[in-house]
Amino acid sequence: GAVVSQHPSRVICKSGTSVKIECRSLDFQATTMFWYRQFPKQSLMLMATSNEGSKATYEQGVEKDKFLINHASLTLSTLTVTSAHPEDSSFYICSASVSGLLLNTEAFFGQGTRLTVV
Amino acid sequence: AQSVTQLDSQVPVFEEAPVELRCNYSSSVSVYLFWYVQYPNQGLQLLLKYLSGSTLVKGINGFEAEFNKSQTSFHLRKPSVHISDTAEYFCAVTHGQNFVFGPGTRLSVLP
Repeated sequence: GAVVSQHPSRVICKSGTSVKIECRSLDFQATTMFWYRQFPKQSLMLMATSNEGSKATYEQGVEKDKFLINHASLTLSTLTVTSAHPEDSSFYICSASVSGLLLNTEAFFGQGTRLTVV
Repeated sequence: AQSVTQLDSQVPVFEEAPVELRCNYSSSVSVYLFWYVQYPNQGLQLLLKYLSGSTLVKGINGFEAEFNKSQTSFHLRKPSVHISDTAEYFCAVTHGQNFVFGPGTRLSVLP
């Protein structure tokens, strides 16, 4: 099946710094990528949808200036957490949909990134 | 808008016993239904999905689920669980764009 690689798997950063998370589709072109956030013992919540070559669409309550998303190519989307604070500590997961399929009938998920802000 | 309910936050079960994890959904449009499993500190792995056709869907690791349109349910079952099935299970729906996930059910298989 299709593979989505997310990097890094774990990152610890100091409060006030920025962290970049990469999401790559390794063997297919992903016109759309989704970024989710998962708090401890909770479900995944959609943060934003990114389409290649255009601005990301953010869900209500998600600060677009804090969570910068770039989808510069059909195989790479990045999420940058700017001026990170301890409350940004969470598990971030990306998913990619395969272009050309009829509707998004399957999403391929990255391995997730555990962000800890100290 | 869609929503997903997983009534049981935690399900403890003994090894080799059967298990059912419940999932109900709400949607004003037709949706596709999925079950994902998440092991600690890992991403999501697809167990099975229902797109159309037979309402009984078989997935990996011996899991199966049945789509019931009248009850808007998509319960996950396994006739005999193993210790290695201990994980978090998420039911999800999509109408073709992003996924909406349920809150998750923690399955703990006891020896």
